[in-house]
Amino acid sequence: GAGVSQSPSNKVTEKGKDVELRCDPISGHTALYWYRQSLGQGLEFLIYFQGNSAPDKSGLPSDRFSAERTGGSVSTLTIQRTQQEDSAVYLCASSEGGAGVEAFFGQGTRLTVV
Amino acid sequence: GQNIDQPTEMTATEGAIVQINCTYQTSGFNGLFWYQQHAGEAPTFLSYNVLDGLEEKGRFSSFLSRSKGYSYLLLKELQMKDSASYLCAVRSMDTGRRALTFGSGTRLQVQP
Repeated sequence: GAGVSQSPSNKVTEKGKDVELRCDPISGHTALYWYRQSLGQGLEFLIYFQGNSAPDKSGLPSDRFSAERTGGSVSTLTIQRTQQEDSAVYLCASSEGGAGVEAFFGQGTRLTVV
Repeated sequence: GQNIDQPTEMTATEGAIVQINCTYQTSGFNGLFWYQQHAGEAPTFLSYNVLDGLEEKGRFSSFLSRSKGYSYLLLKELQMKDSASYLCAVRSMDTGRRALTFGSGTRLQVQP
C-alpha cells in the first residue's frame, strides 16, 4: 500500500481481555517498529523487527505483551489480560532498514481499557 | 542505556525563529532524527543527521555535534501550522538496540 496501515483505528476493551493490533508496513520495508504513546507523552519503544534477525524485544513492558511478524510483512501486537494502564495509542512504523533512512508511521491504534 | 532530553514546551511568535535543543547520551551512536507530530496525528519525518554540522531543508535546519551529544532543530519564518510537538530520536547500533529511541518531545506553540 501507499503507507503504513494499522487496524483497528480505535479499540475499546474490558480489563482482562486480550487484544490484537495489526500493522501492514510499506511494501518492501524490512524494518518494523512498535511504539506506545500515552496522552501528551513521547514515544515509548516496544519492539523492533529487522529482516530475518531476532527481534529486539527490550521495550516490551511485561510478558503480557508479545508481537510477531509473519513472512517479513504484516505484524501483530498482542496484549493479554489488558490493564487500564495499557490504554494508549499504539504506533507502528516501517523503514527500508538502512542506517539513515526515515521511518514512516501509521496513524496508530487508540486502545482504551475500561 | 540511552537518555534523550528536550524542553517540554516552547512558545514563539509567528514570523520569528525558534531553536529546539536536544541532548542525548548513547553508545554506538548511528544517527539523530527529528520528527514533527501534530495533535492526534502520526509523527512525520523532518530531518536526519549522522555527521557533525548543519543540514538545511527549506525553513527547517538541524544541527549535530556528536562530541557534545547535542542537536538542535531551527525553524525559521514560523507559521501557525508549525504549532506541533517536535520529537528528537536517536539510533544506536549496539546489539539489541537498533531501533529509534525518542525523547519526550517539545510542544511548540506559535502565537500570532
